[in-house]
Amino acid sequence: AQKITQTQPGMFVQEKEAVTLDCTYDTSDQSYGLFWYKQPSSGEMIFLIYQGSYDEQNATEGRYSLNFQKARKSANLVISASQLGDSAMYFCAMREIDTNAGKSTFGDGTTLTVKP
Amino acid sequence: IAGITQAPTSQILAAGRRMTLRCTQDMRHNAMYWYRQDLGLGLRLIHYSNTAGTTGKGEVPDGYSVSRANTDDFPLTLASAVPSQTSVYFCASSEEAGEGTGELFFGEGSRLTVL
Repeated sequence: AQKITQTQPGMFVQEKEAVTLDCTYDTSDQSYGLFWYKQPSSGEMIFLIYQGSYDEQNATEGRYSLNFQKARKSANLVISASQLGDSAMYFCAMREIDTNAGKSTFGDGTTLTVKP
Repeated sequence: IAGITQAPTSQILAAGRRMTLRCTQDMRHNAMYWYRQDLGLGLRLIHYSNTAGTTGKGEVPDGYSVSRANTDDFPLTLASAVPSQTSVYFCASSEEAGEGTGELFFGEGSRLTVL
């Protein structure tokens, strides 16, 4: 079974609107971390946001927030007030401390296109 | 600027040739990783090292080897390249495995084409 599932290969959003990128995960660890990374067309990987499995509050970083639903094992990324520069590939990743020695596993990504 | 430096940025290689991708970091991170990214897909872990002197296999280790002689350097070697190893390779580092958030810091990637 895939550890990280991103079911949306591609998403479109109108500039200035909000968009949610889906991510579900599978782990038996009690302690784990969830991440979102952005990969623009230039190819670099940019860290966006982190959520720890024990964090009770949803993480926020500027226009990014992570909708963490632990019981459903989902960690959706919400981007508010989309900008043209948000067009990129977005990867959800999970770091398992107990069963995977702290290594991170990535989903296949979602390509987001922001329309003017 | 502190971070991770990868070399070469891009390389075309004949099948059967040996190739080493270099990775150097100056953040004194203990954990380092090599991922490959194939077109339209996510990153898959090839090898990792939690501290200098130790290495481990990731999800797709076959055909690759690594070494970690010191904290800063983590080279990836393809002993005899094959076309299926055509990919973009990312080196990454993080704070000591099991501590901190585990955010990955990435190099800019090395695009390798094996003909």
